[in-house]
Amino acid sequence: GENVEQHPSTLSVQEGDSAVIKCTYSDSASNYFPWYKQELGKRPQLIIDIRSNVGEKKDQRIAVTLNKTAKHFSLHITETQPEDSAVYFCAASPPNTGNQFYFGTGTSLTVIP
Amino acid sequence: SAVISQKPSRDICQRGTSLTIQCQVDSQVTMMFWYRQQPGQSLTLIATANQGSEATYESGFVIDKFPISRPNLTFSTLTVSNMSPEDSSIYLCSVGGERDQPQHFGDGTRLSIL
Repeated sequence: GENVEQHPSTLSVQEGDSAVIKCTYSDSASNYFPWYKQELGKRPQLIIDIRSNVGEKKDQRIAVTLNKTAKHFSLHITETQPEDSAVYFCAASPPNTGNQFYFGTGTSLTVIP
Repeated sequence: SAVISQKPSRDICQRGTSLTIQCQVDSQVTMMFWYRQQPGQSLTLIATANQGSEATYESGFVIDKFPISRPNLTFSTLTVSNMSPEDSSIYLCSVGGERDQPQHFGDGTRLSIL
């Protein structure tokens, strides 16, 4: 099955700086890559996603890039704010699996005011 | 997006007992999934709940331990059977469309086994 690795496991940045989280996946056929944010004690919430026919997608301060050749994708958060502090999970979805997601190990982001 | 209600929100159970978790959606959805999230860990897919047929389990999860029902397009249950302390975890249901569509999660059930 699909194997997703995520780095770093923890990340601390100063408010206003940028944060980058990287994921790699093993199944070259995977074609959908969502990112989730999970605040303490809350449900994971989708923040952005990208499909394999697109190299980059941006939504305000959040962007995701995808390199299918290298089988990696990254989350970029610019102008970080304290409310960005949370655990972020990447996931990959191989085709022909009924839209199943395989998650990375998570990154705990702390934005220091 | 769909409103997902998961019950119970938390429970404390004795080892050897079983607990059934319910997931109700306010609209018909194609796909429903069950995940386990151990403390401080990532989300691990347990199974895909298939409407009208047996669930599809991931490696390491078996039907005898985690029986799943999905009688219609808005409801599913996950039972954690013969529980042991190692089953202490958060169990989450999610719903989604067909391929290349996001999943949306319920609030989860926090389960502690004594």
